[in-house]
Amino acid sequence: AQSVTQLDSHVSVSEGTPVLLRCNYSSSYSPSLFWYVQHPNKGLQLLLKYTSAATLVKGINGFEAEFKKSETSFHLTKPSAHMSDAAEYFCVVPTSGTYKYIFGTGTRLKVLA
Amino acid sequence: GAGVSQTPSNKVTEKGKYVELRCDPISGHTALYWYRQSLGQGPEFLIYFQGTGAADDSGLPNDRFFAVRPEGSVSTLKIQRTERGDSAVYLCASSSNGGIAGGSYNEQFFGPGTRLTVL
Repeated sequence: AQSVTQLDSHVSVSEGTPVLLRCNYSSSYSPSLFWYVQHPNKGLQLLLKYTSAATLVKGINGFEAEFKKSETSFHLTKPSAHMSDAAEYFCVVPTSGTYKYIFGTGTRLKVLA
Repeated sequence: GAGVSQTPSNKVTEKGKYVELRCDPISGHTALYWYRQSLGQGPEFLIYFQGTGAADDSGLPNDRFFAVRPEGSVSTLKIQRTERGDSAVYLCASSSNGGIAGGSYNEQFFGPGTRLTVL
């Protein structure tokens, strides 16, 4: 069965420094993978999606993620953090053959001035 | 255009009571999903509709939970005999069609959620 593990429940970075949010997946095949962001009191929003077309995926707001099959990872990065990036980030994998999306437990990103 | 809306935004009820949570998906979206998000956790799948029918309800925790989508648009999640453990944020999402299109999964658009508190 597919699953995702987000390795850090909380990450703090200073404004202007790089962001790295880690996600490892478990799957017997190359899955589709997503990153969603949840700002306080707002709905979840898609950041980016991996669909096997390219291993480096660019998303909104300067975020990108690289699919590494050998490491079963799909880490989210951004070169320079902005205060508005403070939010909860979820790595998501759909379950093969169904329409269930499996969410990780989330990583709360804090950006320090 | 309008996104997914959910009402009420907050619901406080007493243990044992019945509640209904409403979801208005994006117009034209045939697929609709319900999730439950407990504090400190990621959303947990409850049920998926394709049109009017529940294509997958395997995530509903027990028979106190039920959802309908009679006209293929608005959906209502119904919880009978609420328990304190039902307290959570209930999220609704819709997508233009369910599952795979062109070999990749579709984006789900989420509503802001309904925060349910059972006292």
